[in-house]
Amino acid sequence: KQEVTQIPAALSVPEGENLVLNCSFTDSAIYNLQWFRQDPGKGLTSLLLIQSSQREQTSGRLNASLDKSSGRSTLYIAASQPGDSATYLCAVLSIQGAQKLVFGQGTRLTINP
Amino acid sequence: GAGVSQSPRYKVAKRGQDVALRCDPISGHVSLFWYQQALGQGPEFLTYFQNEAQLDKSGLPSDRFFAERPEGSVSTLKIQRTQQEDSAVYLCASSPIGLGASEEQFFGPGTRLTVL
Repeated sequence: KQEVTQIPAALSVPEGENLVLNCSFTDSAIYNLQWFRQDPGKGLTSLLLIQSSQREQTSGRLNASLDKSSGRSTLYIAASQPGDSATYLCAVLSIQGAQKLVFGQGTRLTINP
Repeated sequence: GAGVSQSPRYKVAKRGQDVALRCDPISGHVSLFWYQQALGQGPEFLTYFQNEAQLDKSGLPSDRFFAERPEGSVSTLKIQRTQQEDSAVYLCASSPIGLGASEEQFFGPGTRLTVL
């Protein structure tokens, strides 16, 4: 059974810092891994999707890496801004499991002005 | 429409009432998913449709939960005799193709259900 863990559960940093969020998963047989952002009381906004054959994806100040063999992904946020404050979720689409995404519990990020 | 829509956005029910939550996926998307997100947790899978066929309902927590997608587009998640533990955000997602494909899932804004 696929399990996804995110560390840390919460993170608070001053504006302008670079930071890394971590995600680990137990079964490396995946189609892809997605990083999402969730603002309080809102739905999920997809940030980056990494296919199993890829090592990383970049969008603006965000960079996500994937090491499938070790079951790890990181989300790197450069030059953080207060508007980046949100909960960040990672999710994997396992090959076993009929298309369902398995999510971590999220990292609640606060960027202090 | 441009994205996945869900209604109502908020629902308050008294314990024991039945509720129905609606999801309108992106037009033409074959796959539709329901997830349940408890407060402070990540979403958890409930059920999956490919067109009108419900291919996986392994995540439904009890037989009080029922989902349908009769014409392969709009889906309804029904919860009978609601309990306090059913309080959560219910998220709907859709994707273009289906089984065996590595695709992005697009999420709606969710319905926040509160059972008193």
